[in-house]
Amino acid sequence: GAVVSQHPSRVICKSGTSVKIECRSLDFQATTMFWYRQFPKQSLMLMATSNEGSKATYEQGVEKDKFLINHASLTLSTLTVTSAHPEDSSFYICSARSGRERDEQYFGPGTRLTVT
Amino acid sequence: GQNIDQPTEMTATEGAIVQINCTYQTSGFNGLFWYQQHAGEAPTFLSYNVLDGLEEKGRFSSFLSRSKGYSYLLLKELQMKDSASYLCAVMDSNYQLIWGAGTKLIIKP
Repeated sequence: GAVVSQHPSRVICKSGTSVKIECRSLDFQATTMFWYRQFPKQSLMLMATSNEGSKATYEQGVEKDKFLINHASLTLSTLTVTSAHPEDSSFYICSARSGRERDEQYFGPGTRLTVT
Repeated sequence: GQNIDQPTEMTATEGAIVQINCTYQTSGFNGLFWYQQHAGEAPTFLSYNVLDGLEEKGRFSSFLSRSKGYSYLLLKELQMKDSASYLCAVMDSNYQLIWGAGTKLIIKP
């Protein structure tokens, strides 16, 4: 089946620094990638949708300048958390959609970000 | 290795009840989630179980047995709008989400 990877799986950074998270579709081309965040015991929250070669569409309440998304190719999307603060500590999950007939969406394993 | 199993596809009749099973083998356990996903849309959260037993939320209920590595999602009084994929996901000891492939539920009138 289709595989989506994320790197790193876990990162700890200091307040004020920036962190980049990569999402890759390993064996298919992803026309669309989604970025989610999830706080403990809470639901998955969609942050933004990105299509290859175009600007990401952000959900209401998500700061574009803080969460930079770049969908550079059909297999790679990156999320950069700029000037991270402790309240940005969360679990970030990406998913990728191939755009094929069934329109399936495949999820990455997630990245746990801790900002100290 | 870590594994989540759920049926690929199920069919049920409007107004009926359907149970979607999920079995898992993971390194540690920090909760099991069920999500609903309509075609072309982002998944939406349905339930979270971390203790054994049944959690009821309106027409949807979710059950967990940690000793058996088993969960099910029960949908009652099925409506056509319930046609969707249902995703089971387990959070392991590293707080990584292990996702099932999803069960496509088809509701027939």
